[in-house]
Amino acid sequence: KAGVTQTPRYLIKTRGQQVTLSCSPISGHRSVSWYQQTPGQGLQFLFEYFSETQRNKGNFPGRFSGRQFSNSRSEMNVSTLELGDSALYLCASSIPRGPGANVLTFGAGSRLTVL
Amino acid sequence: GESVGLHLPTLSVQEGDNSIINCAYSNSASDYFIWYKQESGKGPQFIIDIRSNMDKRQGQRVTVLLNKTVKHLSLQIAATQPGDSAVYFCAENIWVNAGNMLTFGGGTRLMVKP
Repeated sequence: KAGVTQTPRYLIKTRGQQVTLSCSPISGHRSVSWYQQTPGQGLQFLFEYFSETQRNKGNFPGRFSGRQFSNSRSEMNVSTLELGDSALYLCASSIPRGPGANVLTFGAGSRLTVL
Repeated sequence: GESVGLHLPTLSVQEGDNSIINCAYSNSASDYFIWYKQESGKGPQFIIDIRSNMDKRQGQRVTVLLNKTVKHLSLQIAATQPGDSAVYFCAENIWVNAGNMLTFGGGTRLMVKP
């Protein structure tokens, strides 16, 4: 079956603009998580959604937001872009299970460059 | 390809040798651990997992060891191949707000010399 699909794969924005990234999870996966990956900070958790509800959020400013739709597809938005927002944004989906079992399947990411 | 990390610790091994990648985790409440492999231009890919009530788990050519006393995790790759060259991340999972949350380590770059 198809994997996690992220669009766009690459984009360039300028400071102050906003950006929306899209993620289509694996069919049947109802949980979607987002991560930011940078050379300096590694993989950092942004947020996780299940059944259109944000369950957890990482330590990021309010400029970073997201949502999940009824078909489990998810979007994340970054407003008032800063140079430091340049990163690879990774989406991952999973079949939500109880505590202790959380195998995330990742997409290839959206590479954002802020000039 | 895309740069995953410019300042990652690097392990360089000869093809055919065994590799051991180490990871220290931080949260004693973590109940589940996963190793991921990330190749250039791709997202992280699941390798092997282990629950906190185990201390060893084996897969095909890979073994994960968990030492909860010192909060240490290791990934052993037998007979390392050029295709194993990638960045490897450990991740620890905690159950919070009725959901699982994975926190990743900084990563180790494995380079396999032919």
